[in-house]
Amino acid sequence: DADVTQTPRNRITKTGKRIMLECSQTKGHDRMYWYRQDPGLGLRLIYYSFDVKDINKGEISDGYSVSRQAQAKFSLSLESAIPNQTALYFCATSETGTTDNEQFFGPGTRLTVL
Amino acid sequence: AQKVTQAQTEISVVEKEDVTLDCVYETRDTTYYLFWYKQPPSGELVFLIRRNSFDEQNEISGRYSWNFQKSTSSFNFTITASQVVDSAVYFCALSEAANFGNEKLTFGTGTRLTIIP
Repeated sequence: DADVTQTPRNRITKTGKRIMLECSQTKGHDRMYWYRQDPGLGLRLIYYSFDVKDINKGEISDGYSVSRQAQAKFSLSLESAIPNQTALYFCATSETGTTDNEQFFGPGTRLTVL
Repeated sequence: AQKVTQAQTEISVVEKEDVTLDCVYETRDTTYYLFWYKQPPSGELVFLIRRNSFDEQNEISGRYSWNFQKSTSSFNFTITASQVVDSAVYFCALSEAANFGNEKLTFGTGTRLTIIP
C-alpha cells in the first residue's frame, strides 16, 4: 500500500464551489506539505505543517486553506474555486529530525475548475 | 533566497543517445541538499537521488549519473543510452540545511525529455 495517499485523484468542479483535497500518510512523519504544479512552473509550495498544531503559509497560499486533523491527515481546501486554480496538486511528508528534508510525495490530485 | 534554474524546457533525443539535463542552483547556505525527481506521463513524482553539499563525488546508478560541481553551483544529470521509458519531466530541487523554520524544498521548473524511438 502507498505510504502517502491523496483523494480524490481527479476532480472536475465549477467556479465558486468549495473543494477539499485530502492527504493521508502511514509513514509516521510529523511534517506535511501541499504543492501545486503548473506547466512550466514546477512545484510551488502552498502550505506546510510541522506538527498537528503548526500551520504555515507557503509561496502561494492565497485562495487556499488547510487543516491538520491529525498527524496522518492534512487537507487542502479551496473555499471558492476559480479557473486559475486548475492544476496538479501534490501532498508530501518528511521526517522531523533529519537534516536533508527528503520529502515523500503522494500520487497527485488533478483538479479542473470550469 | 534559494533558487533552482533548469534552463532546458524541453529536450528531444533519439533512442540510445546520451543526454544531459542541466541544473543550476543558488543558495546562501554552506550546507544544503540537492535532489532529482522524475515525473513520468502518469504524473507521480519518483525520487532519483539526493546529494549533500559536502559530498562532491559524482554518482552513477546504472544508466544514470550525476555531476555535482560546487564551483559552478551545478548538479547535472546524464542519461546514457537513453530509452523510451526515460521520457518524462525531470525536476531538480534544493533544500537548505534543516535550521528551524527553513526546511523548504525549492523546485526548478522542470525539463521535459522526449526519447524518440
